[in-house]
Amino acid sequence: GESVGLHLPTLSVQEGDNSIINCAYSNSASDYFIWYKQESGKGPQFIIDIRSNMDKRQGQRVTVLLNKTVKHLSLQIAATQPGDSAVYFCAENGPQFYFGTGTSLTVIP
Amino acid sequence: NAGVTQTPKFRVLKTGQSMTLLCAQDMNHEYMYWYRQDPGMGLRLIHYSVGEGTTAKGEVPDGYNVSRLKKQNFLLGLESAAPSQTSVYFCASSLYYNEQFFGPGTRLTVL
Repeated sequence: GESVGLHLPTLSVQEGDNSIINCAYSNSASDYFIWYKQESGKGPQFIIDIRSNMDKRQGQRVTVLLNKTVKHLSLQIAATQPGDSAVYFCAENGPQFYFGTGTSLTVIP
Repeated sequence: NAGVTQTPKFRVLKTGQSMTLLCAQDMNHEYMYWYRQDPGMGLRLIHYSVGEGTTAKGEVPDGYNVSRLKKQNFLLGLESAAPSQTSVYFCASSLYYNEQFFGPGTRLTVL
């Protein structure tokens, strides 16, 4: 199957700073990617998606960047808040989606 | 609008017992999925369905069966539970090949 991996399993940032979470994927044919946020004890929640015909997509305080040349995704969270503390997953393709193992983001007040 | 619901929330089984997990969605979604989540392993797809009456195997289907008799429901069955099936199970649904909406999860322990 396809593999989706994350560069760092944990990330700690100061409240108010920007956060960057990275994700590598292996299938160059993947054409759709999603970032999810999972809070403790809950199911994953959609944050933002991007298709392979785009390099960048912005949402509310979040930006996803896609570099197809090196098969890399990143999620940028602006002005990180304590409520952003969670595990973040990237997922590629569909209808079967392959998830990475996740990056745990901790926001330090 | 309840979204995606899962029943039960917690369950403890003995090795060899069987059980069925129920997933229901009220968003009229075509696609439904069952995942398991283990520590350090992320989410792994067990089975999925692209419409009523259809099912397909995912990444880790062994030991599980599914049925999608009604569009809004997706059932996951364990015929003979094993300790290796101790996990948190998530159901999800999506309109098409896009954003998935997840349920709250079922925590299953097999002794």
